[in-house]
Amino acid sequence: DGGITQSPKYLFRKEGQNVTLSCEQNLNHDAMYWYRQDPGQGLRLIYYSQIVNDFQKGDIAEGYSVSREKKESFPLTVTSAQKNPTAFYLCASSIVGSPYEQYFGPGTRLTVT
Amino acid sequence: AQSVAQPEDQVNVAEGNPLTVKCTYSVSGNPYLFWYVQYPNRGLQFLLKYITGDNLVKGSYGFEAEFNKSQTSFHLKKPSALVSDSALYFCAVRGGADGLTFGKGTHLIIQP
Repeated sequence: DGGITQSPKYLFRKEGQNVTLSCEQNLNHDAMYWYRQDPGQGLRLIYYSQIVNDFQKGDIAEGYSVSREKKESFPLTVTSAQKNPTAFYLCASSIVGSPYEQYFGPGTRLTVT
Repeated sequence: AQSVAQPEDQVNVAEGNPLTVKCTYSVSGNPYLFWYVQYPNRGLQFLLKYITGDNLVKGSYGFEAEFNKSQTSFHLKKPSALVSDSALYFCAVRGGADGLTFGKGTHLIIQP
């Protein structure tokens, strides 16, 4: 899983609570991404950031928030506004630019009941 | 907007036989195409990519992919399948500054 760590691997929360997922990389990549994976739907982009202190919404940003205060870190907060938060969340990083592949972390499985 | 289609939810292949996992794409401009593999409860691992040049791209673990511009396809292939190749495979395209656009994935099952 390269030089990207995500913690925790499994996370359980009660409905109505905000929860923050951690993503750290030591690859010196400028770009970082958050994806959500649901069975049979592939991966969908939540947020991405190409530089510190800047980030952009992806296809399904509603109910999520991010910050990028350091190059190495890109935490994702799943807020109580997210209607279906239970999913597998994957963080990735890459060199900025389209030809460059993304490297993925091991993922965090969030279960909200 | 770009898109990727993986028409098969599951592909079954006997060990030792050649395998093909299909992918077609739609993108304006030059396509940058990728294949990733995912084992259960793990992140995605990069297999190979096409940027430009030879239409046959070689990647990790003996996999290769054939880019066909006229058919807008980027099929993943391996001459001889192993049981350990059993996993979920994703095709992806990148046409802009944001993240990858993924297909829905194909479960590859290699039968001993």
